[in-house]
Order: sequence, then structure tokens, then C-alpha cells
Amino acid sequence: DAGVIQSPRHEVTEMGQEVTLRCKPISGHDYLFWYRQTMMRGLELLIYFNNNVPIDDSGMPEDRFSAKMPNASFSTLKIQPSEPRDSAVYFCASTGARNEKLFFGSGTQLSVL
Amino acid sequence: AQSVTQLGSHVSVSEGALVLLRCNYSSSVPPYLFWYVQYPNQGLQLLLKYTTGATLVKGINGFEAEFKKSETSFHLTKPSAHMSDAAEYFCAVSGGDSSASKIIFGSGTRLSIRP
Repeated sequence: DAGVIQSPRHEVTEMGQEVTLRCKPISGHDYLFWYRQTMMRGLELLIYFNNNVPIDDSGMPEDRFSAKMPNASFSTLKIQPSEPRDSAVYFCASTGARNEKLFFGSGTQLSVL
Repeated sequence: AQSVTQLGSHVSVSEGALVLLRCNYSSSVPPYLFWYVQYPNQGLQLLLKYTTGATLVKGINGFEAEFKKSETSFHLTKPSAHMSDAAEYFCAVSGGDSSASKIIFGSGTRLSIRP
């Protein structure tokens, strides 16, 4: 298996633009997590899905952020409109069992100018 | 609810010296505990985990951690540091077998190794 695949690897955009981050989890994994990593706040859980259903989105910072998982092999995290304070590395992770080992993607480095 | 506190955002040790990275947790249910390592420009990788059973857990690359319930701690150790151990280390906790839990990470500790 290729592991968790995230795209793009880097994204540079201007304030106010829409940004879409993509994630393909490991085949067969039922849980998918989106995390955000910054120097100031460390690694924050934004949202997680189980069997494509959002279970906990309490970490989503505000309504500008939305996440979907239309099927078991694909998830998106959208920011609209983007702001400079959204600049961070966004990680997607998946696991096949609740509360067990997470498999992380390589992350998307987002810079909002 | 769960939370994790990592003491020390940066630890520096000499090559060959003992590595000790501290982690304390809070959990309202029996926790599962994890240590992950992150190398530059990469995602996190699991080093070791504690779920149930033996409280001393051995992981990859010679690392181990001990679950101490009385101290709510899960410190990471390695007897002899190697240059390749330089990375960021994250402690994480989840609500064990709880049906409504999520994996929460600490703020991370950057480990530097001096030649």
C-alpha cells in the first residue's frame, strides 16, 4: 500500500481565495483524521470521520473550514475564504481500528499571503 | 476528555547519553498512550504504544516508555542517544476502549543530539 496520500504537497494562495486539501486514506481504514500543525499551537485535531461520517468536528476553528468524505477513499478539507492565520501544515491520518496506530500522510504546507 | 502535557519543548543531549522525554496525561477513562516521532518535512510515525497489560513498552529504535498510572505519566527513554534520533517527539492519548474518543497530541518536544 502506498500509505496515506495528501495533495498538494505545498499550496501558496492569496488571502480570500478558496483552498482545497485532499487526502486518500489507506485502503480498508475506517477512520480518517485531519490535523493542523503550527509552531504556536502544535498539532491540533480538526475533525475525524468513521465510515465516512463526521464524528467530531469540535476542533474546526470556524465556519470558513469544512471537511467532507464522500467515499471511503477520499476526503477534502476546504477553507473559504482563506486568511493568513490559516498558514500551517495540514496532516491527514487514517487507522483501521479506533484508538490505535495512526498512519500519517506527508502533509500539505499551506501559505496564505 | 483527554489531554497531554509534554514538559520541555526542547531537549538537548550528547550522543551516547540517556534520553528522557516527559509526558503527563489526563483522562477520564483508562487511556491508550502513544509516542510518535516526526522527522523534518515528514508526517508522524508511531514509536510505541500502551493499551493494556505490561506497563513497560518497548518500541522501535531502542526507545521504551513506562505507563505509571499513579503519576499519570508516560515518559519516553532511550539508554544511549544516536545522532539519528534528532527529531520532534509527540506524546498522544486516547480514551482507550471508549466509544467516543479521539487521539489528542501534546505540543511536542524537539530532541537535539550533540556530537
